[in-house]
Amino acid sequence: QKEVEQNSGPLSVPEGAIASLNCTYSDRGSQSFFWYRQYSGKSPELIMFIYSNGDKEDGRFTAQLNKASQYVSLLIRDSQPSDSATYLCAVNGDNFNKFYFGSGTKLNVKP
Amino acid sequence: EPEVTQTPSHQVTQMGQEVILRCVPISNHLYFYWYRQILGQKVEFLVSFYNNEISEKSEIFDDQFSVERPDGSNFTLKIRSTKLEDSAMYFCASSEGVSGAPSYEQYFGPGTRLTVT
Repeated sequence: QKEVEQNSGPLSVPEGAIASLNCTYSDRGSQSFFWYRQYSGKSPELIMFIYSNGDKEDGRFTAQLNKASQYVSLLIRDSQPSDSATYLCAVNGDNFNKFYFGSGTKLNVKP
Repeated sequence: EPEVTQTPSHQVTQMGQEVILRCVPISNHLYFYWYRQILGQKVEFLVSFYNNEISEKSEIFDDQFSVERPDGSNFTLKIRSTKLEDSAMYFCASSEGVSGAPSYEQYFGPGTRLTVT
């Protein structure tokens, strides 16, 4: 059973702070890693993907991957109240066309 | 901006009935997916579809489920003999093909909420 683990939260941060979201995965064969944002009652929306060890930055978002530790994280700089949502970590399986999601971390950004 | 659409937005059915959930992927996309999310739980992969055949399926996707691309635009999920535990939000997603492989970006539709009574 391939597992993707996330702290369910809620993670509360003040507006303007850095939010740090973490995810671990069990399958060493996973090749690509994804962060989605899901607002309540809405569908997941892709924020970032990463497939190489290290950091990948896109605007206020930075994804970090450490395959040796089977760990992927998402940093959100200058957090805004509109960032309040559930953040889903997903990984693909041995075949790129199969995906496993974590349960998500609920982020609250307080004005 | 192109988007994935799904119909209906909400489907109520009685246990044992068959339902068909419909999706229209983004027009130039080649890879199609179905996911489900039981209320308050994680998103679960059901199946991926490419070149008119199933590419991968999860343990959830048993003989009760089938997918079809009946024409050039629609992608359907059929659930035969629905059970109470099939009640969930069902999401369709699609992605482009890049050099014979799916691109990393999957675009999700708004979902169909299935309620089995």
